[in-house]
Amino acid sequence: DADVTQTPRNRITKTGKRIMLECSQTKGHDRMYWYRQDPGLGLRLIYYSFDVKDINKGEISDGYSVSRQAQAKFSLSLESAIPNQTALYFCATSDLVKGQGKETQYFGPGTRLLVL
Amino acid sequence: GNSVTQMEGPVTLSEEAFLTINCTYTATGYPSLFWYVQYPGEGLQLLLKATKADDKGSNKGFEATYRKETTSFHLEKGSVQVSDSAVYFCALSGTGGFKTIFGAGTRLFVKA
Repeated sequence: DADVTQTPRNRITKTGKRIMLECSQTKGHDRMYWYRQDPGLGLRLIYYSFDVKDINKGEISDGYSVSRQAQAKFSLSLESAIPNQTALYFCATSDLVKGQGKETQYFGPGTRLLVL
Repeated sequence: GNSVTQMEGPVTLSEEAFLTINCTYTATGYPSLFWYVQYPGEGLQLLLKATKADDKGSNKGFEATYRKETTSFHLEKGSVQVSDSAVYFCALSGTGGFKTIFGAGTRLFVKA
């Protein structure tokens, strides 16, 4: 089984709808991330969480919210979806080398979202 | 601030050609450097990493050497295959902010 799973893998929704993307991990990592990837562009960080009680905005958090329900679960919500939120969304976890601040990230397979 | 710059793509090569994808970085301190690869339809996965200056990371025939004097971490492979077609991301972590910083990605196409 995959260490980082995302559901759904594909989603089509309409403008104005609220949707939730879910991420689960079995790696036992405290750190979790949500990224967005647009065609031809790199990754942009939406939100990140260093533990269950620590949630932080990334560079493009407007229009999104998150919930860290447990160490293993980190959900991303689009409160009122709009067409320019059409993108590929990735969840990731990371280990952390204590005292060094260095991490390796582990990505889920992605959720492809289309907002009509 | 901290940043990663990598060569723009796409890079198109014939099978068995030599590959170089350039990556330079700006960072305070001594970050770890990474190459991640994204195959079509998949998430990113770690390809290789180096944690200190002069270290060489290697995996699947790919290599990159951490060059502090030139702040570079160029990815190389001596003979590419069609299956290497993917997007490659250079990244760093371990500096202020304690998050990974990714480059924009370089798409590689390998023709048979």
